[in-house]
Amino acid sequence: RKEVEQDPGPFNVPEGATVAFNCTYSNSASQSFFWYRQDCRKEPKLLMSVYSSGNEDGRFTAQLNRASQYISLLIRDSKLSDSATYLCVVNPVDSSYKLIFGSGTRLLVRP
Amino acid sequence: DARVTQTPRDKVTEMGQEVTMRCQPILGHNTVFWYRQTMKQGLELLAYFRNRAPLDDSGMPKDRFSAEMPDATLATLKIQPSEPRDSAVYFCASGLSDTTNYGYTFGSGTRLTVV
Repeated sequence: RKEVEQDPGPFNVPEGATVAFNCTYSNSASQSFFWYRQDCRKEPKLLMSVYSSGNEDGRFTAQLNRASQYISLLIRDSKLSDSATYLCVVNPVDSSYKLIFGSGTRLLVRP
Repeated sequence: DARVTQTPRDKVTEMGQEVTMRCQPILGHNTVFWYRQTMKQGLELLAYFRNRAPLDDSGMPKDRFSAEMPDATLATLKIQPSEPRDSAVYFCASGLSDTTNYGYTFGSGTRLTVV
């Protein structure tokens, strides 16, 4: 079983739609969680950290469910510029500092 | 904005040749990672350093890959000899280990093609 699993998609949605991605992780001791965004032929960039209480940044909302070991990302009012691959990222053990990436979920927002 | 700088941007080489990729982490960052990305495997962690000391290189094929940090401003990843299956994009990332909640910053990558 992979440490971090995501639905590869693609999710094909119209502009203005709300779309949600889920991600599951296998290590219950994981401490830190993130969503990264990667555009085609570019490097991954940090989108947002995910906190236990959930957090929001504009149109983006991230939530963490430790009991079920999953993380979600909700995008409201999708824009064409949101088209990208969204990577779920987990720091499996607090002292190790390393980040384990999921394989990503591809989002296509159409006009 | 502070950036992680990787060189070369693109590299095409023949099988059997040595390849060296370089990374300049953001000044002051004490944690440096090397990742490899392919369509099939996604992003794989190869090695990482904290305060220049290697912490984990278990993701790296030891017989042909080596990673070093000769000083705080330079990390290198070397492949010798290179093979076609090494073709991938190699990313370097850096960050501060005391602030893991803020994630890490990636360089723009080295696109390696081994023919």
